[in-house]
Amino acid sequence: DIQMTQSPSSLSASVGDRVTITCRASQSISSYLNWYQQKPGKAPKLLIYAASSLQSGVPSRFSGSGSGTDFTLTISSLQPEDFATYYCQQSYSTPQSFGQGTKLEIK
Amino acid sequence: QVQLQESGPGLVKPSQTLSLTCTVSGGSISSGSYYWSWIRQPAGKGLEWIGRIYTSGSTNYNPSLKSRVTISVDTSKNQFSLKLSSVTAADTAVYYCARGIVLTGYYDYWGQGTLVTVSS
Repeated sequence: DIQMTQSPSSLSASVGDRVTITCRASQSISSYLNWYQQKPGKAPKLLIYAASSLQSGVPSRFSGSGSGTDFTLTISSLQPEDFATYYCQQSYSTPQSFGQGTKLEIK
Repeated sequence: QVQLQESGPGLVKPSQTLSLTCTVSGGSISSGSYYWSWIRQPAGKGLEWIGRIYTSGSTNYNPSLKSRVTISVDTSKNQFSLKLSSVTAADTAVYYCARGIVLTGYYDYWGQGTLVTVSS
């Protein structure tokens, strides 16, 4: 099974900050890496797919990069609505797996 | 607009079988471009992939649950279902159904989630 490890687990930041979250796979997953945003009591929402493709309707301040085992999600300028928990997911092989999540909090 | 909606009992007794159904609206479940998955999330914890089904009926399950899980599809009703047997308190979670894209594997539509509590 492929293990996904996110860092940091939590992060405090201010509106306007640039934030980067990393996700590491235990083996190469090519570009089969997706990012989701989850707010309390809601289902996850797709932000980035295939490592770097922006889902339709998602603001351009979100971007993703990486391939192989190391990936990043960057928010270029934090907005109040971005404070949430972020998950990476590998879809390279089954069982699919998610990172443990990164909780982004207001400083 | 595609919508997914989970339904089923919110309370299940230990050792019994958890049964949930996901109804898909706004699109056909029979499209070969998609697969249909169940994902769960215990309170305050991360996401766990349970398994998926293609409209052909082919399935993949998480080995950690494989002996207890069955996912099935009913194309006539545009629904797919989850059965998890021999449940314990550790199976208490919010259960989500989701639509996956075959070529890249990401989930573009999710149900709102349904809380299932295992308790006597």
